[in-house]
Amino acid sequence: QQQVKQSPQSLIVQKGGISIINCAYENTAFDYFPWYQQFPGKGPALLIAIRPDVSEKKEGRFTISFNKSAKQFSLHIMDSQPGDSATYFCAASKRTNYGGSQGNLIFGKGTKLSVKP
Amino acid sequence: EAQVTQNPRYLITVTGKKLTVTCSQNMNHEYMSWYRQDPGLGLRQIYYSMNVEVTDKGDVPEGYKVSRKEKRNFPLILESPSPNQTSLYFCASSLSTRLAGGEQYFGPGTRLTVT
Repeated sequence: QQQVKQSPQSLIVQKGGISIINCAYENTAFDYFPWYQQFPGKGPALLIAIRPDVSEKKEGRFTISFNKSAKQFSLHIMDSQPGDSATYFCAASKRTNYGGSQGNLIFGKGTKLSVKP
Repeated sequence: EAQVTQNPRYLITVTGKKLTVTCSQNMNHEYMSWYRQDPGLGLRQIYYSMNVEVTDKGDVPEGYKVSRKEKRNFPLILESPSPNQTSLYFCASSLSTRLAGGEQYFGPGTRLTVT
């Protein structure tokens, strides 16, 4: 059972365009939703994250939109650049009773983004 | 430099020969974790540790062992490797799941091939 579903698997965008990657989750106990960026030959690195008490979070050209009722969240990359070409992973984790996030981070299968110059 | 280091970076071994992949972090992080990355399957968590002497299974723990005897190190042990454990392995750490909200810092990866 795949707890976090990510789409599309691959995405090609022209420079300056908007890249949109979508994720859906099933477990309503999830309450922390990060996006990780991975370049070839490197480990993933945290890009941006959101908690379900807000519907949107923006950091520079990167925005997470969150729809709690639909159990969906998405990453928007504005003015996409060739340097954004990488694999993007959404993820989710659950809150523990003492207020932290549980250690079991569930990842989507990833989206390979190519930004053409 | 704050970092997570893994050794070896590349390893080719044969079925059944015990091996250990080391992971070390110099950030005094409480939380550490191991993942495997396979094409089309994304990242799957193998084991994680909330603190010294505290470990728990992730989604795919079968065939793996871990230990957390000291805060900075979290080795991954394959007692009897099999070809289906051929994969790219990542170690990660986080300051504290309680304080950092789960932001994890990943190592550079270890590519393991079991023949």
